[in-house]
Order: sequence, then C-alpha cells, then structure tokens
Amino acid sequence: DSGVTQTPKHLITATGQRVTLRCSPRSGDLSVYWYQQSLDQGLQFLIQYYNGEERAKGNILERFSAQQFPDLHSELNLSSLELGDSALYFCASSTGQGESAFFGQGTRLTVV
Amino acid sequence: GESVGLHLPTLSVQEGDNSIINCAYSNSASDYFIWYKQESGKGPQFIIDIRSNMDKRQGQRVTVLLNKTVKHLSLQIAATQPGDSAVYFCAESQGGGADGLTFGKGTHLIIQP
Repeated sequence: DSGVTQTPKHLITATGQRVTLRCSPRSGDLSVYWYQQSLDQGLQFLIQYYNGEERAKGNILERFSAQQFPDLHSELNLSSLELGDSALYFCASSTGQGESAFFGQGTRLTVV
Repeated sequence: GESVGLHLPTLSVQEGDNSIINCAYSNSASDYFIWYKQESGKGPQFIIDIRSNMDKRQGQRVTVLLNKTVKHLSLQIAATQPGDSAVYFCAESQGGGADGLTFGKGTHLIIQP
C-alpha cells in the first residue's frame, strides 16, 4: 500500500458528462500529480499541485481541471467527456523536496 | 499492466533466472531516474531510484545501473519469482525529484515456470 488513496476505483459515465476524481496523498506529502494512462499513450503527466498551488502542467486538456485543497487532497475534474477520455487516471504524491512519487491504485474511467 | 495495446517489449524469463530490463533515455539533463512496477489492475509501484551522481544502486533483489555516457538505464532482478510478472517502467526527471517525471513505454516481464 503506497499510502495514496484514490476514489472511486471505477466510474462509468456517458459522453458529455462531468466527473470528479479524488485523491488523498500520503501523510506529509505536499505535492500531488495526476497522470492519465490509456491503451495507446502510456502514462501521461497531466498536472501537478504543490501545497495548494499549481506547479506544473503537462498534456492536460482544457476540458480538464484540478485543484488541491487546504487539507492537501486533490480533485481532478473532467468535463464534456468523450469516448477517448476512457482511461486509467492515477494520482501520485511526493514530499516535493526531491523525493520519488508514490502512486495510488487509480480510477478506471469508462465513457460510453 | 494496463498498457496492452502499446507495442510493449516483452521479456520472458525462467523462474529463478536473473532478469535485465533496459531503458534508453534521451534527455541529457535528466538527473533522477526511477523504476516502477505495474501489475495488472494496479498503480505503478516504486521499486528503486538512482541519481545521476551514482552509476549503481542496489535494493532487495534489484539493482539499477546508470550509464550516462550512452543514456542508458537498466534494472536487474535477481532470482526472478512469479510475483515479478508485471510491466516495468523507467521514469526520468530533471531537478532530482518527482517533478516533471517522464515515463518510458514499459517492458512486460513474463515469468515462465
């Protein structure tokens, strides 16, 4: 167990809908990272937050947004969902001080 | 792992043999490297990391070798066990930590009984 908790584990929704994925980082970690893993793209970095502030952006679509709350948990919001958004979404956390990132078990999103 | 559909290199080894998984990186500015293991239906699991001021680091049954000259990283797993079956990813970053981690495509390790 990495100590990173993601909910829900599975999500099935229709095209055009909006969903929110939740991540609780390891105790003491200030950085949260979101990754997308699809069948044809591997693990793609989406966005990073550090202590409530956005620190880095990767290949995140404008339809997607994220935030990190004062208690350091993070949410990834996906809107106007398309079939191609079906993927595994992982959250990872680190101290943000030069240490490795530890991943949660992911949320499997299926858009139908 | 969840990367079925990608053209993943596959390495098949006999149980008890040693495995060597290779990874080439392209960014000469990368100074921090991590190996992750991803079992089917699970998230990537940290195995071992190495910084660019080292060329070798050992863990429990695993060794990572870094050759900065040719930008090559390898993971050696000793006495491979069935539980080692997974997809293995190398990841790299600049700045010494998890910020900006870029993942390779992964190698599927299959353990033959």
